[in-house]
Amino acid sequence: LVLTQSPATLSLSPGERATLSCRASQSISSNLAWYQQKPGQAPRLLIYDASNRATGIPARFSGSGSGTDFTLTISSLEPEDFAVYYCQQRYNWPPFTFGGGTEVEIK
Amino acid sequence: EVQLVESGGGLAQPGGSLRVSCAASGFTFSSHSMIWVRQAPGKGLEWLSYITTGSHIDYADSVKGRFTISRDNAKNSLYLQMNSLRAEDTAVYYCARIDYGGFFEYWGHGTLVTVSS
Repeated sequence: LVLTQSPATLSLSPGERATLSCRASQSISSNLAWYQQKPGQAPRLLIYDASNRATGIPARFSGSGSGTDFTLTISSLEPEDFAVYYCQQRYNWPPFTFGGGTEVEIK
Repeated sequence: EVQLVESGGGLAQPGGSLRVSCAASGFTFSSHSMIWVRQAPGKGLEWLSYITTGSHIDYADSVKGRFTISRDNAKNSLYLQMNSLRAEDTAVYYCARIDYGGFFEYWGHGTLVTVSS
């Protein structure tokens, strides 16, 4: 089971909307999470079960999708949102598969 | 407050061994399954191994036969014994708690393992 994230890099300005994609090589129902990782820090869980925000995650982060196609949306980018984002599946574990990541960079 | 603190990283020779540890606090360690994940410099996240509350264990193919996961519930600690180390094992090693049936809400800060002669 492979998770493919696109694009690899997303160049946007603060205040813009970010749309990140994660595609699974087979159906994983809603068994997907999204993580944010900043340089030198551990990953931070944002979204679990495809669309549920984890504790303390701002409402500007939302997740959608099921089956093979999933989307993480950041409605209006804040300066602290520029980071790398990973998706991860738990449908068919082990292994716990991560996507290759999408870097959201300041344009 | 849930805390996971890794230790034991450092420099190891190719073919050598190292053990990294993860000290847990702020929750009932024995009631949670745990994992190790690593991240090579500039690369993505790679799951390595997990251990359940009942000590069921599995490994990624990349480390199977070389790495051994274990836990000591009395010491609230998770371990990863790494043998036959290779240059490609150079990475930051994270421990994390398995929540939501297979996602990871709590992570340690990571410990860097460098394999080089």
